[in-house]
Amino acid sequence: DTGVSQDPRHKITKRGQNVTFRCDPISEHNRLYWYRQTLGQGPEFLTYFQNEAQLEKSRLLSDRFSAERPKGSFSTLEIQRTEQGDSAMYLCASRTAGTSVRTDTQYFGPGTRLTVL
Amino acid sequence: SQKIEQNSEALNIQEGKTATLTCNYTNYSPAYLQWYRQDPGRGPVFLLLIRENEKEKRKERLKVTFDTTLKQSLFHITASQPADSATYLCALVTGTASKLTFGTGTRLQVTL
Repeated sequence: DTGVSQDPRHKITKRGQNVTFRCDPISEHNRLYWYRQTLGQGPEFLTYFQNEAQLEKSRLLSDRFSAERPKGSFSTLEIQRTEQGDSAMYLCASRTAGTSVRTDTQYFGPGTRLTVL
Repeated sequence: SQKIEQNSEALNIQEGKTATLTCNYTNYSPAYLQWYRQDPGRGPVFLLLIRENEKEKRKERLKVTFDTTLKQSLFHITASQPADSATYLCALVTGTASKLTFGTGTRLQVTL
């Protein structure tokens, strides 16, 4: 178990550019979540996948945001035409489906810190 | 409206004392509640989970209580140490997606 990994850890971009982040979940986990966290706030849910299917999206996820999880393994989150308000930490988490403490726990990656200038 | 409230002010306590953090929520019916620890610049790390039919859970120096009538969870760290200094987040689990809805977190500072 190598944990959830995210790449890059930091991204600085100029307003209007597109950015893409990657998340590699724990290998046996079939559920994958994306959250966004701004300074002084708790993480906010953006979207989640069960295997390759994107099953829920928050209204925070504007049409400039798109997420994919091809083949139910890694996931990417793309932000098009970035705005300064997109500056935040983007967190990925994964878990297995089920109802035990082990399966109910979401394991978070280290996050990608995005700064939009 | 739905709300999850944690003490926004930092909690400063002396080493060896018990830290008690509060999480209050309104207009939610969570299946369960979780507590996470977050260090600066890092992702949250899971600590404890408590279900709606459980009153109390313990793990080493950690204890969490869950009162669904009061809509409140308390998180205790006994014999606190400077290494316990971090932000502690409570999160409710709701919906078929089992997504986490977080409070704003409480920063704990343990001093010598």
